[in-house]
Amino acid sequence: DAGVIQSPRHEVTEMGQEVTLRCKPISGHDYLFWYRQTMMRGLELLIYFNNNVPIDDSGMPEDRFSAKMPNASFSTLKIQPSEPRDSAVYFCASSTVFPDSGANVLTFGAGSRLTVL
Amino acid sequence: GNSVTQMEGPVTLSEEAFLTINCTYTATGYPSLFWYVQYPGEGLQLLLKATKADDKGSNKGFEATYRKETTSFHLEKGSVQVSDSAVYFCALKASSGGYNKLIFGAGTRLAVHP
Repeated sequence: DAGVIQSPRHEVTEMGQEVTLRCKPISGHDYLFWYRQTMMRGLELLIYFNNNVPIDDSGMPEDRFSAKMPNASFSTLKIQPSEPRDSAVYFCASSTVFPDSGANVLTFGAGSRLTVL
Repeated sequence: GNSVTQMEGPVTLSEEAFLTINCTYTATGYPSLFWYVQYPGEGLQLLLKATKADDKGSNKGFEATYRKETTSFHLEKGSVQVSDSAVYFCALKASSGGYNKLIFGAGTRLAVHP
């Protein structure tokens, strides 16, 4: 398996533009997570899905952010309109079950670095 | 609420030095505890984990012991290498409002020099 695949790896856009980040989880993984990483706030959980259903979106900063998972192999995180303070690295991660005491682990993608000018 | 606190970095060491990165947590119940590592330009990877009090997780020469009495999970390695330079994240898994949550600390950057 190629692991968790994210695209684009780098995105530079202007304030006000729509940004869409994409994620392909590992085949067979039931859980999908979106995280945001910044120097100021560290790693923040934005939302996670189980079997394509959003379970906890309490970390989504505001209405400008939305996430979807139309099927088991694809998820998007959209920011509309984007603002400079959204500049961060966005990570997608997946797992077979919720990362816990068992053998399962959370597997991260390489991240999408977003810069909003 | 549930939270994880790590020592601030960067931690700068010479090769073969002893490493300790402190991590303390606040959680209800009995969380599982994890250390993840992030190498430059990559996503996080699980380094080790512990699921109950007094458990010791270990991997690649790193160790951490789940101390319930001090609510700590400090990461240690006896002799670091340049290749250990990375950012290390302490994390816990807890349940809140019926949902599971995986909560990360702010991360501690380690730089090892030859």
